[in-house]
Amino acid sequence: QTVVTQEPSFSVSPGGTVTLTCGLSSGSVSISYYPSWYQQTPGQAPRTLIYNTNTRSSGVPDRFSGSILGNKAALTITGAQADDESDYYCVLYMGSGIWVFGGGTKLTVL
Amino acid sequence: QVQLQESGPGLVKPSETLSLTCTVSGGSISGYYWSWIRQPPGKGLEWIGYIYYSGSTNYSPSLKSRVTISVDTSKNQFSLKLSSVTAADTAVYYCARYYCTTTTCFHLDYWGQGTLVTVSS
Repeated sequence: QTVVTQEPSFSVSPGGTVTLTCGLSSGSVSISYYPSWYQQTPGQAPRTLIYNTNTRSSGVPDRFSGSILGNKAALTITGAQADDESDYYCVLYMGSGIWVFGGGTKLTVL
Repeated sequence: QVQLQESGPGLVKPSETLSLTCTVSGGSISGYYWSWIRQPPGKGLEWIGYIYYSGSTNYSPSLKSRVTISVDTSKNQFSLKLSSVTAADTAVYYCARYYCTTTTCFHLDYWGQGTLVTVSS
């Protein structure tokens, strides 16, 4: 079974730029996987940041952007702020009506 | 504004069946895809499956043998049943709605607040 991979943790300085990635244990991520990205803070339901690779969800600041980098989907945060400290999850559409979440990345802003 | 609310027992005994209902308010369940997702304490999110308002379903291969998702359009509700539960099924269970076009579903745009279900004797 294919596993969706994410960095377990990442840190960024306030004002800095960070790129989180979303890959596959076997194969490359492309736009055909319709990658989406969710942000989750403790005790809260996730909220969508990016869907369909690079479309920002309503109300999401433009410092969040999505792309394909090499063989992975990527979420870039430009000008990180303290309240960006959260868990970030990618989701890939594997075909045949199946979606799979990545393991999540815990982002620290310090 | 669409709102989703999970309901059901917070404690289930091992080997029994976990049953949860998601009530949709502020909008119709018709015309949309609906999903269940879970999150064990301190761990990541896991996609369980989805149901279309018409009743068609699809499930995670890892849970398929134990999962049933159903819909009741008259009550604007959909439900989750997970059989033969063990402690590994202890998690916060979320219901959510898919944002879809005519051809593709892209993301989960509305979520419930989640409900913790503990499997313990």
